[in-house]
Amino acid sequence: DAKTTQPPSMDCAEGRAANLPCNHSTISGNEYVYWYRQIHSQGPQYIIHGLKNNETNEMASLIITEDRKSSTLILPHATLRDTAVYYCIVTQDSSYKLIFGSGTRLLVRP
Amino acid sequence: DAGVIQSPRHEVTEMGQEVTLRCKPISGHNSLFWYRQTMMRGLELLIYFNNNVPIDDSGMPEDRFSAKMPNASFSTLKIQPSEPRDSAVYFCASSLEFSIGEQYFGPGTRLTVT
Repeated sequence: DAKTTQPPSMDCAEGRAANLPCNHSTISGNEYVYWYRQIHSQGPQYIIHGLKNNETNEMASLIITEDRKSSTLILPHATLRDTAVYYCIVTQDSSYKLIFGSGTRLLVRP
Repeated sequence: DAGVIQSPRHEVTEMGQEVTLRCKPISGHNSLFWYRQTMMRGLELLIYFNNNVPIDDSGMPEDRFSAKMPNASFSTLKIQPSEPRDSAVYFCASSLEFSIGEQYFGPGTRLTVT
């Protein structure tokens, strides 16, 4: 599976959009981009995933560049409850193996 | 739906004792995973079941660890004998086979072995 690179930490103001970047320059054609988050003392939570088109659900939007070498997770109106570690994972669609790296620690400020 | 249920939430035991962690996956999910999370090693996959059958146990650290899934609604992870280095948070997750990357995690069991 392709390696991902994320900034170790970010912050944003409550109510503003949080844009979390992820680099995956070695991604192959059949690999998907998944995003999870882990709020303190809880289990990881699935957020969204995509192959090459932008995706949106009730939690977030996923923007994947045309060359698929990077992506951005967007939380449109961050709340204090969005403070968590966010993991960007690249894996094949049929693969059960999710490699959780270090992630990005997002702090949402009041 | 209640989500993935794990018990106990916290377990403190002495070295050498047997520990059993329990998991009830989301109803209808046919894939189940056990993970371990520590500060040093992060989140690691221990074992993966599909339709109650162990498919990949390559992440199980050693023979002291065993996992079973006797039916679609119950799984156990057993450590016998336990050691201090087994102290970690153990998560169970489940998913549907056709969307296996969408895994739904339980709240975890925090294990402390003294």
